[in-house]
Amino acid sequence: EDQVTQSPEALRLQEGESSSLNCSYTVSGLRGLFWYRQDPGKGPEFLFTLYSAGEEKEKERLKATLTKKESFLHITAPKPEDSATYLCAVQAHLRGNMLTFGGGTRLMVKP
Amino acid sequence: AAGVIQSPRHLIKEKRETATLKCYPIPRHDTVYWYQQGPGQDPQFLISFYEKMQSDKGSIPDRFSAQQFSDYHSELNMSSLELGDSALYFCASSLDRYNEQFFGPGTRLTVL
Repeated sequence: EDQVTQSPEALRLQEGESSSLNCSYTVSGLRGLFWYRQDPGKGPEFLFTLYSAGEEKEKERLKATLTKKESFLHITAPKPEDSATYLCAVQAHLRGNMLTFGGGTRLMVKP
Repeated sequence: AAGVIQSPRHLIKEKRETATLKCYPIPRHDTVYWYQQGPGQDPQFLISFYEKMQSDKGSIPDRFSAQQFSDYHSELNMSSLELGDSALYFCASSLDRYNEQFFGPGTRLTVL
């Protein structure tokens, strides 16, 4: 069975304090790993897709990386508006097109 | 840019009633997905459709059914509602079956 675990569950940062969020996965045949940002009561907002180990993607203050066992979402010099829950999800070859999500990391950035 | 549209945004029902949730995908997207997110939980995959045919099925109760219509919009029908069905229901769409999924704003269902 596919398993996705995110850590930490919650993270408090000061504005400008860089950090990384972790997403560990066990999947029979990874098709893709997806990062989303979700604000309270809203739909997940797509950030990145990673397909193979060694791949990296960047967008503003965010950078996502992928290995064969885990993915990291690096946040450089975060701002208060980066506060949200960050969700990691995997899509497996044997499970069609469904996404299996991890528990999410609630990020709070204080000014 | 156009996004996924869901209606209604909020819905209050009594136990044992029925509910219909609608989803309008991003133009040209041919795949639609339904997810359920309970309070403090991850989105859980319910069902998906590709080119108007059921594609994959997740943890969708037998009381729920869904379909995708010729204009690619989708409806999730929920019958014999239970208190535990109270949740946010998200629709997502993608261009083809395995590309990134773009989520709508959700329908908040409250069952009293």
